[in-house]
Amino acid sequence: DVKVTQSSRYLVKRTGEKVFLECVQDMDHENMFWYRQDPGLGLRLIYFSYDVKMKEKGDIPEGYSVSREKKERFSLILESASTNQTSMYLCASTLEAGSTDTQYFGPGTRLTVL
Amino acid sequence: AQKVTQAQTEISVVEKEDVTLDCVYETRDTTYYLFWYKQPPSGELVFLIRRNSFDEQNEISGRYSWNFQKSTSSFNFTITASQVVDSAVYFCALSEAPPASGTYKYIFGTGTRLKVLA
Repeated sequence: DVKVTQSSRYLVKRTGEKVFLECVQDMDHENMFWYRQDPGLGLRLIYFSYDVKMKEKGDIPEGYSVSREKKERFSLILESASTNQTSMYLCASTLEAGSTDTQYFGPGTRLTVL
Repeated sequence: AQKVTQAQTEISVVEKEDVTLDCVYETRDTTYYLFWYKQPPSGELVFLIRRNSFDEQNEISGRYSWNFQKSTSSFNFTITASQVVDSAVYFCALSEAPPASGTYKYIFGTGTRLKVLA
């Protein structure tokens, strides 16, 4: 079974802090994604990566950056956290680049920015 | 442009009732994929089904069934004899075959919260 893990289930940070959300998958998947989930808005894509050191902006990249130094790990970075970034963050991965494979999701990180 | 609409924000049913969750999509592509995911209270999205645009056969898996109709751009999900454990948020999603640039993405609906009451 594919396993996607996220570093924290719950996180509380202060405005202006730099925040790192980590995601690791153990099935050698090419693609990794970061979404945020907000009530009434569903899942919105922040960034995705289809290879090591490669990244593409999603629909809402402002205020975020990402890093993929190793194939299994995809980090989401909030350079200076703001209260409007309080949300549930979901990481996902798929097997092949350039395909429409099933996405496998991690358990999510619920981030609160005070 | 791609779009997925789940018009039902929340549905409540009594255990053992049948319930249908609606999903309507928009795409200009002829090759695309549709998905349903379940998000229980624990938070992790669980994959339920993937269907490509060339396969309009209905699918049944236990108490779950899916009705794909290209004519109405719909991919509806029915739970027969619902159970309390079916309580969750259900998401419909669309993904198109990647363009020449190789990039692609998935578009999710806003989700339908299903509450099954004992």
